[in-house]
Amino acid sequence: DGGITQSPKYLFRKEGQNVTLSCEQNLNHDAMYWYRQDPGQGLRLIYYSQIVNDFQKGDIAEGYSVSREKKESFPLTVTSAQKNPTAFYLCASSIRDTNYEQYFGPGTRLTVT
Amino acid sequence: GNSVTQMEGPVTLSEEAFLTINCTYTATGYPSLFWYVQYPGEGLQLLLKATKADDKGSNKGFEATYRKETTSFHLEKGSVQVSDSAVYFCALSDRRGNKLVFGAGTILRVKS
Repeated sequence: DGGITQSPKYLFRKEGQNVTLSCEQNLNHDAMYWYRQDPGQGLRLIYYSQIVNDFQKGDIAEGYSVSREKKESFPLTVTSAQKNPTAFYLCASSIRDTNYEQYFGPGTRLTVT
Repeated sequence: GNSVTQMEGPVTLSEEAFLTINCTYTATGYPSLFWYVQYPGEGLQLLLKATKADDKGSNKGFEATYRKETTSFHLEKGSVQVSDSAVYFCALSDRRGNKLVFGAGTILRVKS
């Protein structure tokens, strides 16, 4: 079955540590996205990538970094510079057509204490 | 810039009641419009979409019509079930930015 996987489902870290969230897709999609969701709030775009080895900042990129070395993979690193990293992180992918319909992974809930 | 405005929730309904969740948008050009649903602790799932004016998207008893004249894409369902309790997001495609723009989401709670 084609889809997007995010691992782990729950992640706990101590303040001051960098942490990398995994996102893999086998849909053969060119574009991939990372969103942050806080309780009771909508989605905020962190980074997105339209093609391998290229990515753009979204609305809240500060304190985050990404890489896109393979079409299937778009890992997100939450650095110690991110002031409030505890949140639900969602990865998505889409075909590069005119609609940009996105398919989402199940999410990773990151808790930093 | 492009934006999406949804009615604030939570919306609380009894089972078998009629549902409307309002969504209006501001966009240049002719975006595609989407409704996504998020169940507790999960990612978003595409519920329905419409790619041009007057198109009606439908799925699982939900419907929404792309109204260009009122820049709206309201979600409706004739008879809701407890299992419809979730957060619903309206979104539009930002072709210039190659991404989707989401509304803030509307929580729906259905009581038995």
